Amino acid sequence: ETGVTQTPRHLVMGMTNKKSLKCEQHLGHNAMYWYKQSAKKPLELMFVYNFKEQTENNSVPSRFSPECPNSSHLFLHLHTLQPEDSALYLCASSQFGATGELFFGEGSRLTVL
Amino acid sequence: KNEVEQSPQNLTAQEGEFITINCSYSVGISALHWLQQHPGGGIVSLFMLSSGKKKHGRLIATINIQEKHSSLHITASHPRDSAVYICAVRWGPGYFGNEKLTFGTGTRLTIIP
Repeated sequence: ETGVTQTPRHLVMGMTNKKSLKCEQHLGHNAMYWYKQSAKKPLELMFVYNFKEQTENNSVPSRFSPECPNSSHLFLHLHTLQPEDSALYLCASSQFGATGELFFGEGSRLTVL
Repeated sequence: KNEVEQSPQNLTAQEGEFITINCSYSVGISALHWLQQHPGGGIVSLFMLSSGKKKHGRLIATINIQEKHSSLHITASHPRDSAVYICAVRWGPGYFGNEKLTFGTGTRLTIIP
């Protein structure tokens, strides 16, 4: 099992669809993150969960809804997205309180038509 | 807010050349990450350092806290080193969470055989 697994790797959706991105980590970490990476822009932090509790919501529109049912799983629920939301969405995990080294998944490339 | 600048934005070199990528930041930090992103999108953490120098194989990372500057060096570069290299700084002394990470826009490295 790889450390951090994201599914699906590619997703195409219309603006009225509802879909979800899934992230699973097998590293025993207690912190999980969603990042957005748009073309030519730095990674942007979206959400942080520490010990399953959301500790950061970086002014993300409500059409993105995170869910963290346990410390190993993280979801990003998507609804009524806009074409400008097309980007690579990356999940990461770390052990809060330790060195803080981040472990990333392969990303989910989202295209909104 | 901490600003992170990387240079160069793009770098093309011949196989075997010594590569240097630079990262400068504007305020005090607790740690600096160097990350590697391959064309598929996945990100791998190369180094996390708060002082001095670290080496792993052909990769060397240095940081000068007084000058607020870090460099990533690649010796004997190879086409498989072609990737985007991203610098990220964690600001706030003694803080180990990753909420306060600021990312650079990355340096796209291409090594020609």
